[in-house]
Amino acid sequence: GEDVEQSLFLSVREGDSSVINCTYTDSSSTYLYWYKQEPGAGLQLLTYIFSNMDMKQDQRLTVLLNKKDKHLSLRIADTQTGDSAIYFCAESKGAGNMLTFGGGTRLMVKP
Amino acid sequence: DTEVTQTPKHLVMGMTNKKSLKCEQHMGHRAMYWYKQKAKKPPELMFVYSYEKLSINESVPSRFSPECPNSSLLNLHLHALQPEDSALYLCASSQDGQGFHEQFFGPGTRLTVL
Repeated sequence: GEDVEQSLFLSVREGDSSVINCTYTDSSSTYLYWYKQEPGAGLQLLTYIFSNMDMKQDQRLTVLLNKKDKHLSLRIADTQTGDSAIYFCAESKGAGNMLTFGGGTRLMVKP
Repeated sequence: DTEVTQTPKHLVMGMTNKKSLKCEQHMGHRAMYWYKQKAKKPPELMFVYSYEKLSINESVPSRFSPECPNSSLLNLHLHALQPEDSALYLCASSQDGQGFHEQFFGPGTRLTVL
């Protein structure tokens, strides 16, 4: 099976909070990331969390990490139509900076 | 300048053609990457260059040939590709070494092989 898994699709209304979930299998993951990809574009790093942290907040974004369950989530507060995109979680481990991506969650924000 | 540029944006080629994808960054990054992304799939790592030397090749077929002529440039030479090689090819760069280093991605080259 995949090392990193995400649900395929999430639809929310503008102004609501969005929560995108991710599970990973490798407990030696060092860093976990959330990337955003808009149509036809490359990937933009939104935020990351070191594996010894439980939570990280950055403006509208909150990342929660449950190491025991190997579960990562991204909460977007006050979701806007401009937040519509595909969101990838990713992990890296050990030396170097090799990323393993989840399958991506397509977030659709309805006005 | 935190930009990674890629050319061309789109490329259509036949199975007998030879073409090259180019990637450039001027952030002083010494690690550069090629990823392949099929439609509705996550990016998959192909190659990693560290200090202009190939450090990782993820069992990529030899019809893809990477080259790093200097610390700012990364090329991907394509020859005898198959239609299943059609994908978005993403280049990225980062600082090298242990610890967290953000990978900056280019916009990609959308490749179609006929």
